[in-house]
Amino acid sequence: QVQMVQSEAEVKKPGASVKVSCKASGYTFTDYYVHWVRQAPGQGLEWMGWINPNSDYTDHAQKFQGRVTMTRDTSISTAFMELSRLRSDDTAVYYCARSKSGNYYYYMDVWGKGTTVTVSS
Amino acid sequence: DMQMTQSPSSLSASVGDRVTITCRASQNINKYLNWFQQKPGKAPKLLIYAASNLQSGVPSRFSGSGSGTDFALTIISLQPEDFATYYCQQTYSSPFTFGPGTRVDIK
Repeated sequence: QVQMVQSEAEVKKPGASVKVSCKASGYTFTDYYVHWVRQAPGQGLEWMGWINPNSDYTDHAQKFQGRVTMTRDTSISTAFMELSRLRSDDTAVYYCARSKSGNYYYYMDVWGKGTTVTVSS
Repeated sequence: DMQMTQSPSSLSASVGDRVTITCRASQNINKYLNWFQQKPGKAPKLLIYAASNLQSGVPSRFSGSGSGTDFALTIISLQPEDFATYYCQQTYSSPFTFGPGTRVDIK
């Protein structure tokens, strides 16, 4: 079945980096974009950006400029999101989700279960 | 960035009620509007895409409407499993912002 399996929870110190992975299965990885969305405790959803696994093109929200890197490894159908210079307000659940390539409504129809990232000294 | 607002921020309803949640964009977004349902501790679930298209497998009691700046999600005959938080999201322009959410709980 179609699924996106994310890496395990992480605990990081302020100033460190975290790299979250998202392994796709049950579909052709390069046929769908991968988006990253995060949710701080008790808060709403925040879209971070997306990557086109076919072309390696990325787009991300300006607030993460200089801190976020989205990559992919097509040989293992996995997308990665690395966030650097972590702060306490980066503590959140990070989700990956897919949307169909070439469909510009970008609706995210399959989601990973989320990876909890805790930033604490 | 495109700003999305939702109203109400929360509501209490009974099983069988008809519920409508509205979402407003700060600029014209045509029909680039999706709706998600989220339950505590779970990932969001896509309900409606492109403003009015029901995602496969989603019950027909859910419907979406609107275009431009004003949108609505309607649930006819609310069921126990529908108590959750609902988010709209615009995908007209990056960043693809979400609304703040509407919590639907049991009266």
